[in-house]
Amino acid sequence: NAGVMQNPRHLVRRRGQEARLRCSPMKGHSHVYWYRQLPEEGLKFMVYLQKENIIDESGMPKERFSAEFPKEGPSILRIQQVVRGDSAAYFCASSPPTASGNTIYFGEGSWLTVV
Amino acid sequence: DQQVKQNSPSLSVQEGRISILNCDYTNSMFDYFLWYKKYPAEGPTFLISISSIKDKNEDGRFTVFLNKSAKHLSLHIVPSQPGDSAVYFCAASSYNSGTYKYIFGTGTRLKVLA
Repeated sequence: NAGVMQNPRHLVRRRGQEARLRCSPMKGHSHVYWYRQLPEEGLKFMVYLQKENIIDESGMPKERFSAEFPKEGPSILRIQQVVRGDSAAYFCASSPPTASGNTIYFGEGSWLTVV
Repeated sequence: DQQVKQNSPSLSVQEGRISILNCDYTNSMFDYFLWYKKYPAEGPTFLISISSIKDKNEDGRFTVFLNKSAKHLSLHIVPSQPGDSAVYFCAASSYNSGTYKYIFGTGTRLKVLA
């Protein structure tokens, strides 16, 4: 019973490069959330997606960040032209289609370091 | 606008004693409140939740209390064990337009001393 799978676990990018983080939700889950944790800070909501649909992207920075959850395959969080301030841990969480609001399940996270 | 607040960044407790982690919120429309535990370099792990219509939920050593009038909840861990040392996040969920949104606090780092 695989949990939420994220890869890569660690990613190093030079300033100006692109970062792609992938998330496969738990089996049977069709809702995906992305959160970012900056050093010494809490978990900040970024985006909430269902298959082929962005439900809420109110936490996404206006530029350089995008997310998708295609019909087939994992959800992707894409950061273009990375800057040092993008260095953070990015966590994906999932919930089932009949979500009741009482829990979401997190992956192990992807740590992005921009040098 | 921090809707979920954990005002204590850290807490130290002796092994065997009770740990009490606190959380305050501002939005009276939250449906559920949740607690997660996080070890370094790992993802948050769900611990326990409570519906907004309840005032207490217990699961083993973990009990969550909800005081709606004060917009305050707390997580009690008793007895505390060294393995409980981690960062604890309080979260709240709200339902809007057919979807749930989960908002997290900034976390409290618990250290249980052997």
